[in-house]
Order: sequence, then C-alpha cells, then structure tokens
Amino acid sequence: GNSVTQMEGPVTLSEEAFLTINCTYTATGYPSLFWYVQYPGEGLQLLLKATKADDKGSNKGFEATYRKETTSFHLEKGSVQVSDSAVYFCALSKEGAQKLVFGQGTRLTINP
Amino acid sequence: NAGVTQTPKFQVLKTGQSMTLQCAQDMNHEYMSWYRQDPGMGLRLIHYSVGAGITDQGEVPNGYNVSRSTTEDFPLRLLSAAPSQTSVYFCASKDRGRSPLHFGNGTRLTVT
Repeated sequence: GNSVTQMEGPVTLSEEAFLTINCTYTATGYPSLFWYVQYPGEGLQLLLKATKADDKGSNKGFEATYRKETTSFHLEKGSVQVSDSAVYFCALSKEGAQKLVFGQGTRLTINP
Repeated sequence: NAGVTQTPKFQVLKTGQSMTLQCAQDMNHEYMSWYRQDPGMGLRLIHYSVGAGITDQGEVPNGYNVSRSTTEDFPLRLLSAAPSQTSVYFCASKDRGRSPLHFGNGTRLTVT
C-alpha cells in the first residue's frame, strides 16, 4: 500500500541554521507530494506541493524536490527562524484518489 | 474566508456519553474527511465522504459515525465515548483531483 516515512523528531536548531527534514514514500504510479505545517493550537496548512517528478515546490523560503529515483521529497530551508517552530507533515495523494496519506510528523523547534 | 469551521474547540465527556463534532465548509468541496491526531502517530483517517449521501470508512472508524446530508456539512458522532477516543480531531475538505486538503482548527476532546 501507499505509505510515507518521515525523519523522526524532535528536531532542535538554532536560528539561521540550515534545515532538512527527510521524507520518503512508497506508492505505485505517480503520486502528488505535499508538505503541511501545523503551528501550535492550529490545524494543518499546506506549505508546498509537487505533482510530478523533478518538480520543486517552494513557499516561505522552504523547498522540496520530487525525486522519483529515490522516492523522496525532503524539506529544506537555508536559514530558519524562531517562527518556523511547528510540526511538519509529509503527505502523498494518488491520482484519482481523494485520500491523503500522511507521515507521522516532525516537530521542529528553533531557538533564538 | 471561513474555509473549514469546526465546533466546539474543546470538549470534555464522561465515558458512555454521546456527542457530535460539527464540521462545515464553504468552498463547495465534494470531498470531506475526519482525522484524529495522537502523539507520535500523525493523522489517522476516521471516515470520509466523496459527496453528499456518500460516506466510507477510513483507517480507524470504530466508535464513530458520520453522515453527509449536504455538501457543506460533515458531522462526526461519538455514540458512547471511551477514554481511547481522547484526541484532537480535525475535519478537512478538498476539491477534486490532486488538490490539497484544507483543514479546520481542530476539536480537542477529553474523555474521562
């Protein structure tokens, strides 16, 4: 079946550090891939997405590239801020399917 | 823009009580779903609906009922609450195809 595996957290970094959160997936065909972010006390918000191989999604300084050869969609940011502290979820959606499959989430804390 | 609205935000129940978590969306989305979020387990799909009058079970449906009489509303019913149902519940909706999920802000439920 379809599944998403994320880097286990929690992850703690200092402000302005480089961030990578790993995400790999298992799926047949060509899924769409998403990163969602959950700030404290809120629901999940879409951060970025990619719908085909080699696509790069980007938003708010975050980037992720759809790598079909390694079945990965790692999230990166060059210089994190305290306001980036949140839980990050990787997810996939198959073509024609309405359901999303989520990874377990990675809690990120940025210290000033 | 209201988006996905969930009520209540917080609820405490005693074991055996029943209640309904409300969810409404104003984006005319066909697909709606309920997730529960537990520490270390990410989001797990409870029930979903691909349109008015159509519902189906997700990964963890036991103890929950749903109905979809209108496009806008998708209530989640707990018929006899159990402590294992203590969780944060999220309602989400999406448009057709590879579009992202839009989440409500969640309902934090405690069953004592």
